[in-house]
Amino acid sequence: QVRLQESGPGLVKPSQTLSLACTVSGGSIDSGDYYWTWIRQAPGGGLEWIGYIYYYSGSIDYNPSVESRVTISIDTSKNQFSLRLSSVTAADTALYYCARGRYEFEISGFYYDLWGQGTLVTVSS
Amino acid sequence: AIQMTQSPSSLSASVGDRVTITCRASQGIGNNLGWYQQKPGKAPLVLIYGATSLRSGVPSRFSGSGSGTDFTLTISSLQPEDFATYYCLHDYNYPLIFGGGTTVDLK
Repeated sequence: QVRLQESGPGLVKPSQTLSLACTVSGGSIDSGDYYWTWIRQAPGGGLEWIGYIYYYSGSIDYNPSVESRVTISIDTSKNQFSLRLSSVTAADTALYYCARGRYEFEISGFYYDLWGQGTLVTVSS
Repeated sequence: AIQMTQSPSSLSASVGDRVTITCRASQGIGNNLGWYQQKPGKAPLVLIYGATSLRSGVPSRFSGSGSGTDFTLTISSLQPEDFATYYCLHDYNYPLIFGGGTTVDLK
């Protein structure tokens, strides 16, 4: 059974860089046709798609709301993908989820079928 | 970016009620829409994708309809475990955008 698990500091100071990793267990991150994605949720708020990386093609896309500050990468040796968000402010305080997206060609439908439990990151001095 | 307007933002309902949640896209997105359920302290769970396809294992009381700009999630007979927050998500282009969410609580 494939599982995702986020890890990283729960507290980051303003202007510093937030770094999170999502470890894939029970399966290989470089097998299968998946879109490895980061999504966040501000306290009491809605969901915000941050960006994804598609291993096979190396395609990456980011939300313009964070594009100038964000990097998503894959490390197959650790079977994990990562998020780096620089110059953080209090507005970046959120529960950060990693998720696996997949596309079903027969139905022409895309969805996130697997999520981590989320990790809370607070930006505060 | 495409904007997703979800309504209502909250609703109160009773067990057995038929519940309808709508999502409107700021431009046509074909059938590139999914619906997710989120319970407190939990990650979202996909219910519907491709606007109308029911994810395996999801109860058949959930259904999705619509295409283009207007979409609907219907719960035919609300069950106690369905009290949660529901989000639509378009995957037509990047960035993917979630609707603002609809919280379904007990009347």
